[in-house]
Amino acid sequence: EAGVTQSPTHLIKTRGQQATLRCSPISGHTSVYWYQQALGLGLQFLLWYDEGEERNRGNFPPRFSGRQFPNYSSELNVNALELEDSALYLCASSFRTGNQPQHFGDGTRLSIL
Amino acid sequence: AQSVSQHNHHVILSEAASLELGCNYSYGGTVNLFWYVQYPGQHLQLLLKYFSGDPLVKGIKGFEAEFIKSKFSFNLRKPSVQWSDTAEYFCAVNAVGGYQKVTFGTGTKLQVIP
Repeated sequence: EAGVTQSPTHLIKTRGQQATLRCSPISGHTSVYWYQQALGLGLQFLLWYDEGEERNRGNFPPRFSGRQFPNYSSELNVNALELEDSALYLCASSFRTGNQPQHFGDGTRLSIL
Repeated sequence: AQSVSQHNHHVILSEAASLELGCNYSYGGTVNLFWYVQYPGQHLQLLLKYFSGDPLVKGIKGFEAEFIKSKFSFNLRKPSVQWSDTAEYFCAVNAVGGYQKVTFGTGTKLQVIP
């Protein structure tokens, strides 16, 4: 079974630019989650999508947004990039029903110069 | 809002030593609890989970965790660590019915010395 796949592996941008990160969930999973793993801050919940809709959002500004497509893949968009956005962005997926653990991808390392 | 505290940021042990990593959470209601592990250069993997039932949960690779509701704790244990257990360990919690938001602790880096 293919795991959660994320692309690109590494993304380098400058301040003020926009970044798009992509995630494909495990086949059969309808929920996709995004997390930010910044140095010294641990894993912080960003967004949860299920069945194409945003279901929950962490404590991040509106310039962090995303969407989920009909095939359940997802994009995370970060606008007006700031230096502190440099982090590893992890995507996870799970089944929607019941208490299902999340399975993680390898992440996209976003570096802001 | 739920929160998770991992008290040890960096733990160094010799092979065959016993391991206990602390995890405390704050939330008044029913929770699901997880331990994830991230080996060097690899993605986060589920080590074990507690949803209900027996508070002593056994996971992969000889790890276990005990849920003590009165102490809001979910400590991870292993009787005898190996060099291959060198990794970062994350405790996580999600409130049952809490819109699937999983809150992670800041992680504990475990270094096992041969």
